[in-house]
Amino acid sequence: AQSVTQLGSHVSVSEGALVLLRCNYSSSVPPYLFWYVQYPNQGLQLLLKYTSAATLVKGINGFEAEFKKSETSFHLTKPSAHMSDAAEYFCAVSGYNQGGKLIFGQGTELSVKP
Amino acid sequence: DTAVSQTPKYLVTQMGNDKSIKCEQNLGHDTMYWYKQDSKKFLKIMFSYNNKELIINETVPNRFSPKSPDKAHLNLHINSLELGDSAVYFCASSQEPSGLSYNEQFFGPGTRLTVL
Repeated sequence: AQSVTQLGSHVSVSEGALVLLRCNYSSSVPPYLFWYVQYPNQGLQLLLKYTSAATLVKGINGFEAEFKKSETSFHLTKPSAHMSDAAEYFCAVSGYNQGGKLIFGQGTELSVKP
Repeated sequence: DTAVSQTPKYLVTQMGNDKSIKCEQNLGHDTMYWYKQDSKKFLKIMFSYNNKELIINETVPNRFSPKSPDKAHLNLHINSLELGDSAVYFCASSQEPSGLSYNEQFFGPGTRLTVL
């Protein structure tokens, strides 16, 4: 069985500040991990993914995430927040031969203050 | 060109009615999905099809019936609509050789269904 927990349903940062969105997973098989972003009234867009290669993964828009097996975590970071980063962020887990099934966390809404 | 498109974007209907949502992808992918996003923004997979074959069917009431006429299309028909069916429904697609599950899923813009 697989599950994802995102700590904090809402995170607020100032423009230029570090963004840290937390994700912990549980998986009975080696996990594939994803971060998706959803802008208001839009579909989801992939930010980055981990598929058992490098543990530090770089994505689009300056985001990156580090896979830590010992901590079962896959936290998303960005050194300097921009107003355009305000959106809903979803962490998701899948696994080998799962037919593409993504299990999503409950989402974290990121607000960026000027 | 839109990669994954859904119609309609908004759907308002009465309880008990039957409605359909259509999805098309022009990415040449072999796997398509339906997800439901509830009012708290929680996303849950409902179905997936690989090359027109049903692969995932997640404890969804049998009032929901997906149909995939070809690889590029996956429609969702809902019978006897209930208040609890109100949600945003997202279609997605990916290329999943042998169901490996690590490829990016491309999402459509969503269909907001409101049942009155």
